[in-house]
Amino acid sequence: AQSVTQLGSHVSVSEGALVLLRCNYSSSVPPYLFWYVQYPNQGLQLLLKYTSAATLVKGINGFEAEFKKSETSFHLTKPSAHMSDAAEYFCAVKGNTGFQKLVFGTGTRLLVSP
Amino acid sequence: DTEVTQTPKHLVMGMTNKKSLKCEQHMGHRAMYWYKQKAKKPPELMFVYSYEKLSINESVPSRFSPECPNSSLLNLHLHALQPEDSALYLCASSQGSGRVDEQYFGPGTRLTVT
Repeated sequence: AQSVTQLGSHVSVSEGALVLLRCNYSSSVPPYLFWYVQYPNQGLQLLLKYTSAATLVKGINGFEAEFKKSETSFHLTKPSAHMSDAAEYFCAVKGNTGFQKLVFGTGTRLLVSP
Repeated sequence: DTEVTQTPKHLVMGMTNKKSLKCEQHMGHRAMYWYKQKAKKPPELMFVYSYEKLSINESVPSRFSPECPNSSLLNLHLHALQPEDSALYLCASSQGSGRVDEQYFGPGTRLTVT
């Protein structure tokens, strides 16, 4: 069964600083991986997805993530944080055979200070 | 357009009431999902409809009754709920085919059971 672990329930950065949100996956086969963002009192918005086409994936709002099989990681980064990036971020995984449920990590709250 | 709409945005109901949540998408997706999200937690899958048929019920209590009248519409009928059922209820949809089949989420309905 697939699972993801998000290290750090809260990450604090200053505006303009690098954002790094960590996600490690556990899967017996290369999975599909996703990052979602949830702003307060809203639904989840898909930021980006890994589908094995390319290891470096670019998403919306300047975010990108790199799939590293050797480290079983899919960390989310953004070169320069903006106040509007403050939100909850979820990493999610699903298997690549048949119907597979989307399995979410516990989430990381990104706090951005001026 | 990757929009999933949900109504109402907020709902307060007593434990003896009957109410319904509505979800709609016009992306031609053939899979639709209900999730429950408690505060500071990731979404938990409740039901999956595939091609208008219920394909997954994650052992959800019978006081929650899903319905898929057509490929664009998904309802969740609520009856005799408990205060612990208070949560954000998220609807999602996906193509229902293909390998990746990423899910798109609606804004959610904030349910309070009194």
